[in-house]
Amino acid sequence: GAGVSQSPSNKVTEKGKDVELRCDPISGHTALYWYRQSLGQGLEFLIYFQGNSAPDKSGLPSDRFSAERTGGSVSTLTIQRTQQEDSAVYLCASTRTSGGRVTDTQYFGPGTRLTVL
Amino acid sequence: AQSVSQHNHHVILSEAASLELGCNYSYGGTVNLFWYVQYPGQHLQLLLKYFSGDPLVKGIKGFEAEFIKSKFSFNLRKPSVQWSDTAEYFCAVNLKGEGGKLIFGQGTELSVKP
Repeated sequence: GAGVSQSPSNKVTEKGKDVELRCDPISGHTALYWYRQSLGQGLEFLIYFQGNSAPDKSGLPSDRFSAERTGGSVSTLTIQRTQQEDSAVYLCASTRTSGGRVTDTQYFGPGTRLTVL
Repeated sequence: AQSVSQHNHHVILSEAASLELGCNYSYGGTVNLFWYVQYPGQHLQLLLKYFSGDPLVKGIKGFEAEFIKSKFSFNLRKPSVQWSDTAEYFCAVNLKGEGGKLIFGQGTELSVKP
C-alpha cells in the first residue's frame, strides 16, 4: 500500500507558538517512531510507539515535546512554546512487529520541515 | 554510551571510482545494522540491512556491506559509482530484541563528479 505520510510538509511558526505534526504510518505497522534531523545534530531518535503506548520516550528533548498515537495508527507530535532550536526536519517511521518484537526495517516518511522564527 | 561513527563527512569521487564508507558502532549487545540513503530532495530509503547470517550483504543499486563483528564495523562498498549515487548516506544500528529505535551515524555526503 501507500508509504508513510506526514503533514504538513512545511511549517513556519513564531517562537512561543505550539505546533502539531502528524504521521500516518503504513497500514498494519504496529511500531511507529519519531526522529529529528537537524544540522549539527544529525538524526536523533525522539520516541517509539508500540500500538498506542510509548515504551521509549528517552529521546524527547524537553517537556515541551509530547506525542500520542490513537487507534494504533495516526500519531501526532506536539511541540509547545516552540524555540528556534526546535527548527529541524521531523521524520516519522513505521515497521512491523511480531509478538511485540520488531521484525523488519523502518520505512520513513518525507518529513515535516519546521522553521521557528 | 551507545554510538555510531561514520569516518567520512564528505567524499568526492569521479564516476567509475570505487567507494568505501566506514561505519563503526559501540554496542555491547547483538545488533541489527542498516545503511540508509537520502537523495537530494527525497526521503530516507533503505539501501541494505544485516540481521543475521552471511555477513556480506547486498543491497539495491549495486551496493554491498560487510559486517565484521570483531571490528564492530559495517562498511559500505560499491565497485563503480555513478553520478546518480550523489546523496547522503547514513549508517544505523539497533539492538535486537528491543524496541527497534535506530541510532544513526552523522552521515556521509557523497558527491560524484560526472
